Amino acid sequence: DTGVSQDPRHKITKRGQNVTFRCDPISEHNRLYWYRQTLGQGPEFLTYFQNEAQLEKSRLLSDRFSAERPKGSFSTLEIQRTEQGDSAMYLCASSLADRAKGYTFGSGTRLTVV
Amino acid sequence: SQKIEQNSEALNIQEGKTATLTCNYTNYSPAYLQWYRQDPGRGPVFLLLIRENEKEKRKERLKVTFDTTLKQSLFHITASQPADSATYLCALDPRSQKVTFGTGTKLQVIP
Repeated sequence: DTGVSQDPRHKITKRGQNVTFRCDPISEHNRLYWYRQTLGQGPEFLTYFQNEAQLEKSRLLSDRFSAERPKGSFSTLEIQRTEQGDSAMYLCASSLADRAKGYTFGSGTRLTVV
Repeated sequence: SQKIEQNSEALNIQEGKTATLTCNYTNYSPAYLQWYRQDPGRGPVFLLLIRENEKEKRKERLKVTFDTTLKQSLFHITASQPADSATYLCALDPRSQKVTFGTGTKLQVIP
């Protein structure tokens, strides 16, 4: 297993366009998280899945954001009608139920909205 | 409101010295506290987790303390090396599934 994979690594889009990011977690991890990080800030929680169920969603996540995890494997995060304020690094992480090993993060997708 | 504070200014130390990073929090009751390392353009990498009933945890050159009375964790890197230069994030896990991160402290180890 090569860890958590995210695709694409970079995305430049025009304001108003829709974008979709993909995350492939570590196969034996049943928990998957999406975070957003802007320059100089720590990662900010967006949403969390246990298997295919989306169990928590940040109140900061507007209706333009949606995430799925079909069949409890990979996950997608879609942003509709992108705005310049959506420009950030989008990080995916996965974990086991046992907290002792923390989260394993992917390298992130850097989104730039122009 | 809930708040996690880490030194926003960069910490510069001489190679070989011990680096000490601070994480303070308010209005949280974390069951666990985690520390991560983040290099530019990369995702955070998990280093250590300490439980609320533990005072200290060590891993190689790393040591973490956790004082739930002071609401503070200290992260130490002994015999620091230039390769330790990175941003270090503390993260609180208050028994929910949502881990909340601090803003991180940038450490620069000078040869």
